[in-house]
Amino acid sequence: EPEVTQTPSHQVTQMGQEVILRCVPISNHLYFYWYRQILGQKVEFLVSFYNNEISEKSEIFDDQFSVERPDGSNFTLKIRSTKLEDSAMYFCASSEATPTGGYFGPGTRLLVL
Amino acid sequence: AQKITQTQPGMFVQEKEAVTLDCTYDTSDPSYGLFWYKQPSSGEMIFLIYQGSYDQQNATEGRYSLNFQKARKSANLVISASQLGDSAMYFCAMRPNFGNEKLTFGTGTRLTIIP
Repeated sequence: EPEVTQTPSHQVTQMGQEVILRCVPISNHLYFYWYRQILGQKVEFLVSFYNNEISEKSEIFDDQFSVERPDGSNFTLKIRSTKLEDSAMYFCASSEATPTGGYFGPGTRLLVL
Repeated sequence: AQKITQTQPGMFVQEKEAVTLDCTYDTSDPSYGLFWYKQPSSGEMIFLIYQGSYDQQNATEGRYSLNFQKARKSANLVISASQLGDSAMYFCAMRPNFGNEKLTFGTGTRLTIIP
């Protein structure tokens, strides 16, 4: 069964450093998303990506964040200068054009020290 | 804007009993989808069940069923014959059926199955 994959599974970084989180969505999906879950809290939408551009972003997704689909298969989230409050689980998700179950990757647990 | 409310922060249920996890929602979108996800302690988000707002019948997937009451704006998850492996966080979510389909999540319910 096709699945969304994410790397790395865990990342520890120093405050102020740049991190890149990688995702490989399901191959025939058209919509791509990043979500964030701070420990013990609900899952929050960060950004959606369709047709090679951002279609919507939340207020969390400020200038420190960027997304890219560099090669038609990978989908990346970059945080330019990490803050302590960026520590969270980051989920990538993808979906088809028609409403179906949203497919989430296993997540990347980011810890900013 | 969409909003999901899960009023049960935690529930304890005896193994083999059925359990209902509550979810109410609010939206102005005429067409939308409702989802339930399971998040075990390992952290991944596992899709369980989907209900479309215009579906005539309540969705079922194995031991999971969704009690959809559109007029009440509720989409409760029912797990029959609970098992120890059902212990996890459960999130209700929704998204519009048109547009970019981003999901809005509730705060979750932590379900613990007691042997």
